[in-house]
Amino acid sequence: SQQGEEDPQALSIQEGENATMNCSYKTSINNLQWYRQNSGRGLVHLILIRSNEREKHSGRLRVTLDTSKKSSSLLITASRAADTASYFCATDKGYSTLTFGKGTMLLVSP
Amino acid sequence: EAGVAQSPRYKIIEKRQSVAFWCNPISGHATLYWYQQILGQGPKLLIQFQNNGVVDDSQLPKDRFSAERLKGVDSTLKIQPAKLEDSAVYLCASSLDQGSYEQYFGPGTRLTVT
Repeated sequence: SQQGEEDPQALSIQEGENATMNCSYKTSINNLQWYRQNSGRGLVHLILIRSNEREKHSGRLRVTLDTSKKSSSLLITASRAADTASYFCATDKGYSTLTFGKGTMLLVSP
Repeated sequence: EAGVAQSPRYKIIEKRQSVAFWCNPISGHATLYWYQQILGQGPKLLIQFQNNGVVDDSQLPKDRFSAERLKGVDSTLKIQPAKLEDSAVYLCASSLDQGSYEQYFGPGTRLTVT
């Protein structure tokens, strides 16, 4: 079963714009992780946010977590064509057992 | 540091045949995972090993799928007999340990069952 659900399913923007993706989940979690997948580099970990954290930054990435609403968002600032990929949220209820959503397909046009 | 290695990269078999996939995790990683990713969906965990013990195999179709991690390093995933709906990419991942650690994924094996 899919715990996390990303929204939107697809997003198309121009280079330099910001991209925001959302993830909702159903049960309590230990942490939430975001991954990126493209044909060139496969599935790559982007950022991990623990259940007691509200916001985390990594380079051009900003992730927020609202455990009361069971939701998270991933913001990519100043998007580049190389950011074109599918983005997945994955929830960990403990013991590193991840449940992935269906993903958001991001297309960044030059 | 070498990444997670998987082989083969591609495999085409007929239904009812058997197939095996191999994974070599990052050196020193205690936890190893096998995922199935069907086109258009996110990866689904099939089985998780901690060293050579199984932590979670609740979504592994045990009537046809089997996996082992001998000596707590390499792992193999086998399907016997294969069905059409097994067509997917099979991803292997590893992490340093259980807990809040990122997972490192291999390139995957794309299986087509005809």
